[in-house]
Formats: sequence, structure tokens, C-alpha cells
Amino acid sequence: QSVLTQPPSASGTPGQRVTISCSGSSSNIGKTYLYWYQQFPGTAPKLLIFRNNQRPSGVPDRFSGSKSGTSASLAISGLRSEDEAAYYCAAWDDNLDGLGFGGGTKLTVL
Amino acid sequence: EVQLVESGGGLVHPGGSLSLSCAASGITFSNYWMHWVRQIPGEGLEWVSRINSDGSKINYADSVKGRFTISRDNANNLLHLQMNSLRVEDTAVYYCAGDGGCSGSSCYGSSGLDVWGQGTTVTVAS
Repeated sequence: QSVLTQPPSASGTPGQRVTISCSGSSSNIGKTYLYWYQQFPGTAPKLLIFRNNQRPSGVPDRFSGSKSGTSASLAISGLRSEDEAAYYCAAWDDNLDGLGFGGGTKLTVL
Repeated sequence: EVQLVESGGGLVHPGGSLSLSCAASGITFSNYWMHWVRQIPGEGLEWVSRINSDGSKINYADSVKGRFTISRDNANNLLHLQMNSLRVEDTAVYYCAGDGGCSGSSCYGSSGLDVWGQGTTVTVAS
């Protein structure tokens, strides 16, 4: 059972805007920053969003993050076929004294 | 080029031990807080352990506490994970990952795990 809760799947058509939710608690998302990672099959995860809504250099501005209370979301606008991947949210959990991941959301571009 | 390269994975019997290493290059390793994250094929990411930049602060997931030991060698840019009393459920791809945005004694508000290795596979089976 994952520390953070994500929907297992999401989908959209090219050009659409899709959002992926991430739900936590007062010991993780409600207390600290939220991070998002993107992972393609057979490859290592890659940092996509840090500190709730910041993009590392090289990440397109089609990707955006937000956080409110104990929930967060990742939005992808202008969906492209190359966005088809798994997306994971993560936040430090004070109760566990460890990093908590969401179960991951597999995004399908129809 | 920034690179983390894991090694040491393999097949081990339940109850056995294995030692993983992660060699860093292209980064100032001694500035990075380092993590091990694992992933059962086809499943999600599970955080395993974290060590701060000088090795004085260490955290473990409950699932590995008392069995795994994380350590680092800043002189040689190496991260280690000693895994003892291995169980079938420890079977996974193990990634090392680094957070270069921590400061002082805290990673609050860090830049996240911004560098990852390619992973090494650990299989625990009889």
C-alpha cells in the first residue's frame, strides 16, 4: 500500500489537457513539498516537478504542478504521444521518517 | 556527464546477503544526499533508504530496517547498500538516486531526486 494515493491510470488524446491527482495526509503533502517523477518502460525515473510546481531545466512548460492542503496534481497540456509514461508523486513523510511515493499513474495517449 | 552507475545485483537465496554499489561521476558527490529506491518489475517505486552528504544522518524504510545498511565513501564517490537476511519480497530493480539541493542538516525544499542510476536487478529466490 503506497503512502500517497494516485489513480492507477489516466488517458487523453493528443492536444488535450490531462491531470493526475495525488492525495496524502498532514504528515506528508500537508507538511512539505511535493515532487513528480516520469518513468518510461525499462528506464529510470526522471524528475519532472520539484517543490510543488517548479520545473527542472529541460522539462517543457506543458507540465505543471500544484498543491493544496493534502492534495496535489500534475497537469499536462497539449498532450503528445511521447508523454505516454508512468507518473509518480513523492513527498517526505514525517511519521514514517521516509520518502513516500504514490502508486504511480500510467498515462495512455489515445 | 552526470552519471550514477549501480553494480552488485544478482541472484541470491532467501536469507542470503548482497552488497550493492553506486559509482557517481560528473557531480560533486559529497554535496549530494543519496537514496536507494527499488521497483518490482511492473509495479511502483518504493523508497528504501537515504543518507545525508557526510553520512551522519540515515533513514530506512520499515520494510528493510535492521536488515539493510546504507553507507557512502565520499573520497571515492561511492554509495553502498549492504543487504542482509534477504527475502523473496526484496526482489526488485534497485536504483540509486541523488538530491543535490539539500542544505545543512535538512532536505526540506530540496530540488528532488535529480540524478538517477540505470538500476541493478536483485533476485531473491530458492
